Amino acid sequence: DVKVTQSSRYLVKRTGEKVFLECVQDMDHENMFWYRQDPGLGLRLIYFSYDVKMKEKGDIPEGYSVSREKKERFSLILESASTNQTSMYLCASGAREHYSNQPQHFGDGTRLSIL
Amino acid sequence: AQSVAQPEDQVNVAEGNPLTVKCTYSVSGNPYLFWYVQYPNRGLQFLLKYITGDNLVKGSYGFEAEFNKSQTSFHLKKPSALVSDSALYFCAVPPTGGGNKLTFGTGTQLKVEL
Repeated sequence: DVKVTQSSRYLVKRTGEKVFLECVQDMDHENMFWYRQDPGLGLRLIYFSYDVKMKEKGDIPEGYSVSREKKERFSLILESASTNQTSMYLCASGAREHYSNQPQHFGDGTRLSIL
Repeated sequence: AQSVAQPEDQVNVAEGNPLTVKCTYSVSGNPYLFWYVQYPNRGLQFLLKYITGDNLVKGSYGFEAEFNKSQTSFHLKKPSALVSDSALYFCAVPPTGGGNKLTFGTGTQLKVEL
């Protein structure tokens, strides 16, 4: 069975801290994504990666960066956490880009609170 | 740009009754369309997709969706709702020209009551 694993389900950090959210997939997918989910706003794409060491900004990249050193792992970094980054963060993976009829597979999310 | 809209924030249905969760789309060309479900404290799970062909698409957990090109809609349906269907539902569309970077709707909360 396919699996996307996010390292933490719940995380509490303080304002100004550097925060790392980790995501690992076991499906050998080329594409990986980080979303932020807030009530009434749906899912908003922060960053995605279509290959190792490759990344592209999504709709709301400000205040975030990403790292993809290995195909199976995609990390989201909050450079200096702020309270408005309190949210649910979802990681997803998907097949090669031109297979646009293939679904994405999601992790269970990390609920991040910034105090 | 491709987009989808979910006009209802919440839908309430009695168990055993049919349910419909609405989605309309705005795309150029022939659309690919997806439905996902999110149960409490979980990630999204794929339900079904429309690529081409039959306008009625069958998916997981007894759900189906009807593609209507003239109304640019892709409504999610189930003939008989269960309490366990209570969840957040998202429709989504990939970009024109390919790729699986999806654009999601804002979500519809389905509540099925006894």
